[in-house]
Amino acid sequence: DSGVTQTPKHLITATGQRVTLRCSPRSGDLSVYWYQQSLDQGLQFLIQYYNGEERAKGNILERFSAQQFPDLHSELNLSSLELGDSALYFCASSVAGLKNTIYFGEGSWLTVV
Amino acid sequence: ELKVEQNPLFLSMQEGKNYTIYCNYSTTSDRLYWYRQDPGKSLESLFVLLSNGAVKQEGRLMASLDTKARLSTLHITAAVHDLSATYFCAVGFSTGNQFYFGTGTSLTVIP
Repeated sequence: DSGVTQTPKHLITATGQRVTLRCSPRSGDLSVYWYQQSLDQGLQFLIQYYNGEERAKGNILERFSAQQFPDLHSELNLSSLELGDSALYFCASSVAGLKNTIYFGEGSWLTVV
Repeated sequence: ELKVEQNPLFLSMQEGKNYTIYCNYSTTSDRLYWYRQDPGKSLESLFVLLSNGAVKQEGRLMASLDTKARLSTLHITAAVHDLSATYFCAVGFSTGNQFYFGTGTSLTVIP
């Protein structure tokens, strides 16, 4: 158990819908990262927050957004869902930046039908 | 555009044998990570390499980093079935806050 908690574990939704994925980082970790894992794209970095502020942006679609709240938990919002958004979404956290080990949650399986 | 390439992509090896997984990246970086992922599971951190020449070992796995060659290796010694998994390397940058994963190497150890 990495200490990073993600909910829900599994989610099935229809095209065009909107979902929210939630992540609680390890206790004391200020950085939160979101990744998308799919068979064709591999592990893609989406976005990173540090202590409530966005710090880095990767291949995140405009239909996706994220935020980190004062209690450090983070949410990834996915809207106007398409079949191609079906993937495993990981949240990861670290104490600060990249000098530290980055711990991954169990992931949220999203299936868009 | 940064490219992080691993080879081989698929590796089938017999128990007791040694092998090396290679991770090449296209842009200068001073930090390199190795992760293990079991099917349908999360990523488990194996090693964090933060300097040129860094070498770390844990059990039957040893990782090294050559920043000048932009190469990291993950060496497997006397493989056992429990090492069957997908191994990812990831490259990070001290000037940024994101890190990029390689393509992954799917390892199967055959009894």
